[in-house]
Amino acid sequence: SYVLTQPPSVSVAPGQTARITCGGNNIGSKSVHWYQQKPGQAPVLVVYDDSDRPSGIPERFSGSNSGNTATLTISRVEAGDEADYYCQVWDSSSDHFWVFGGGTKLTVL
Amino acid sequence: QVQLQESGPGLVKPSETLSLTCAVSGYSISSGYYWGWIRQPPGKGLEWIGSIYHSGSTYYNPSLKSRVTISVDTSKNQFSLKLSSVTAADTAVYYCARDRYVDTATPIDYWGQGTLVTVSS
Repeated sequence: SYVLTQPPSVSVAPGQTARITCGGNNIGSKSVHWYQQKPGQAPVLVVYDDSDRPSGIPERFSGSNSGNTATLTISRVEAGDEADYYCQVWDSSSDHFWVFGGGTKLTVL
Repeated sequence: QVQLQESGPGLVKPSETLSLTCAVSGYSISSGYYWGWIRQPPGKGLEWIGSIYHSGSTYYNPSLKSRVTISVDTSKNQFSLKLSSVTAADTAVYYCARDRYVDTATPIDYWGQGTLVTVSS
């Protein structure tokens, strides 16, 4: 089955740029979605279809996807961005189902 | 505004069947989306369980397929999850959600608040 690989943790100082990667075989051919999850809360969609933002999500959140790596970029990081981030793709190869990455804990120093 | 609310027992004994229901408000469950379940063991990541269309068409995570049944009740605008032969490894927060739009890979855009289910004797 399809596997998505994320770094367990990323740390960044306030005001700097955070980049969270999501690796998968030829992931560039798939649509990647990104979710933010804060402690005790349900996940919130922050980027969909590689690089689009839902209504209400700040422009500081952006995404890209090419080759074997998709990336969520958070510019001008704020303390409130500290959370777990998950990437997601639909695996339509054999079995059809959603695959999540293992998640990345973003720490704002 | 689409709202989802999970309900069901918070404690299930090992080897028994976990049963949860998700009530949907603000949107008709018969209007083009799949409706799904996702779980998250304490301190761990998200795992998609499966989803259902109002017609009854289902997709399941292959790793859980043998134990999972998802059903829909359009008259009550709700859908349900049954997970059989549970073990401690099934202890998790279970979320219901509005899943992808039919025949697409659109993201999960609305989530319930989640309900913790503990498997213990």
